[in-house]
Amino acid sequence: DVKVTQSSRYLVKRTGEKVFLECVQDMDHENMFWYRQDPGLGLRLIYFSYDVKMKEKGDIPEGYSVSREKKERFSLILESASTNQTSMYLCASSFHRMNTEAFFGQGTRLTVV
Amino acid sequence: TQLLEQSPQFLSIQEGENLTVYCNSSSVFSSLQWYRQEPGEGPVLLVTVVTGGEVKKLKRLTFQFGDARKDSSLHITAAQPGDTGLYLCAGPNAGKSTFGDGTTLTVKP
Repeated sequence: DVKVTQSSRYLVKRTGEKVFLECVQDMDHENMFWYRQDPGLGLRLIYFSYDVKMKEKGDIPEGYSVSREKKERFSLILESASTNQTSMYLCASSFHRMNTEAFFGQGTRLTVV
Repeated sequence: TQLLEQSPQFLSIQEGENLTVYCNSSSVFSSLQWYRQEPGEGPVLLVTVVTGGEVKKLKRLTFQFGDARKDSSLHITAAQPGDTGLYLCAGPNAGKSTFGDGTTLTVKP
């Protein structure tokens, strides 16, 4: 079974802190994605990556950056956390561009105070 | 922009009832996926439908892809409390996925 693991289930950070959310997948998938999920707004794509060291902006990249130094690991960085970034963050991976069946991690509930 | 609209947005039923939820688009999709997300967890892939008119069954869940590949439905027979969750449909869009906003299903014992 594909396993996507996010480093934390729950995280509380202070406004202005730099926050790192880590995601690791164990099935050699090419694609990795970061979403945030908020009530009434659905899943919104923040950033995605089709290969090591490459990244593409999603629909809401402002205030975020990403890093993919190794194929299995995709990190989401909040440079200076703000309260409006309080959300559920979901990492996902898929096999390659032509196969978008996504496998999700368990999610990280981030609260910025 | 390819959009997926899901209906109803919320559904609350008693255990044992049948239900159908819908995923509609004005665009043609090469395939559609259905996911279920339990509270506090990430979505889990249930099925992918690929061929127009295709019907797939997963125990008490029946998934259908429209003939024109613009819509899909999920029918649950004899719903159980364990079916409670958010049901999302998604379709490929330039190497990414377009997700609907989901149907939140509550099955009461």
